[in-house]
This record gives sequence, structure tokens and C-alpha cells, in this order.
Amino acid sequence: DVVMTQSPLSLPVTLGQPASISCRSSQSLVYSDGNTYLNWFQQRPGQSPRRLIYKVSNWDSGVPDRFSGSGSGTDFTLKISRVEAEDVGVYYCMQGTHWPPTFGGGTKVEIK
Amino acid sequence: QVQLVQSGAEVKKPGASVKVSCKASGYTFTSYGISWVRQAPGQGLEWMGWISAYNGNTNYAQKLQGRVTMTTDTSTSTAYMELRSLRSDDTAVYYCARGDAGGDYWGQGTLVTVSS
Repeated sequence: DVVMTQSPLSLPVTLGQPASISCRSSQSLVYSDGNTYLNWFQQRPGQSPRRLIYKVSNWDSGVPDRFSGSGSGTDFTLKISRVEAEDVGVYYCMQGTHWPPTFGGGTKVEIK
Repeated sequence: QVQLVQSGAEVKKPGASVKVSCKASGYTFTSYGISWVRQAPGQGLEWMGWISAYNGNTNYAQKLQGRVTMTTDTSTSTAYMELRSLRSDDTAVYYCARGDAGGDYWGQGTLVTVSS
């Protein structure tokens, strides 16, 4: 199975400041159709996961544009341009290129 | 609007089975598959498997092969996940999600507690 490694594990951030989460895969996530199936999820405390970004950099409906995804091959990043209080939670990357789909271990974003 | 509504919390004894339902609305059920993902207390997300709501094809995580069965009822737009021979480490919140992997809509989760 493809191993997804996220860093950092915990990310204390000051409100209004940027935040960045890294996700690395053990294999290239470029699929034979040319797409890269790397998604990002947010899980607020006590809630279900919510997909924010799909195929590396595409926003899901209703996702604020302060969130952005980038990367290629095996290295990916989720950035929050200015952290707001509602962004507190755990963020997961997930690859859907290789079966079975696998998740990163999660990054906990908290306010300093 | 798209909604996935799951059945309520369950408490089971080791060795028993549990069947969780996921009722979909707001879209054409047979146009998307349903994935199941679980989350043990305080832990990360684990993909369990997927079922095509179109033709019933399934794909299960290897570690659950032989213990899990996913089905759908297209007449009621409902997906089901049955897990058998429950163990204490099956205690988790179980989620359904629309799509084959990395679903765009998720259910509210169903807590399954396995305890003697």
C-alpha cells in the first residue's frame, strides 16, 4: 500500500497568519490518465471529515479560497493563507491513485 | 442538497455482527459509488472498501476481507456495511462517503462499540 506521510503532526498558528502542511507519498501519485488523485480533508472537532481539495489543487464547493493545494509526483502541500478560528481541526491528505486508497496520519491545527 | 444519513450508534459483544446503513438523498444514487471509512477513538482515517451503486461491484481492504460485506438497495437509495466477528479493535466511528475514494459528501458517522 502507498504510505502517506504528513508533517508536522501538530501546527500551532496565530490567527491571521499562514499555515502549511506537507504530505509525501511513497510512490508517485500520477495515474495512467495523467491525473493526480491527491485530496485534502478537514475534520473539525466532533465532525465528519469534509473534503476541501481534490486532484491536488481543485476546490470543493463552498471551500474558502484561503485554502490552496499544490504539488506533484510525491510531494504535496496544503496552505491556509490566513488562519481563522474555524480552521481548527485535523487535516488529512489522501491518495486515490493506487488501490487501496490511503490516508496520511493527520496534522492537528490549533490556535496559539 | 446531497445528504448521507447513517443509522444510530450500536453496542455489540465480541464475536457479534453489526450492520450500518447509509441513506442517500439529493442525487441519483446509482451514479456514484459509496465508500466506507472508519476512525478508531483518537486515531486517523482508515478506508474499508467501496461499492458501486450502479452494479454492486465491491472492493474491500485486504485486512477486512472475509469479515466485511457492503451492499446497496437501489429502491431506497441505501448502502449497507456489515462487519462480522467483531473484536474490540473494531470499536470506531464508521462513515459512509459518496465516491470511490476521497468522497465529496460524508455521512454523520455511526459509533460502533465492541465490548463484553
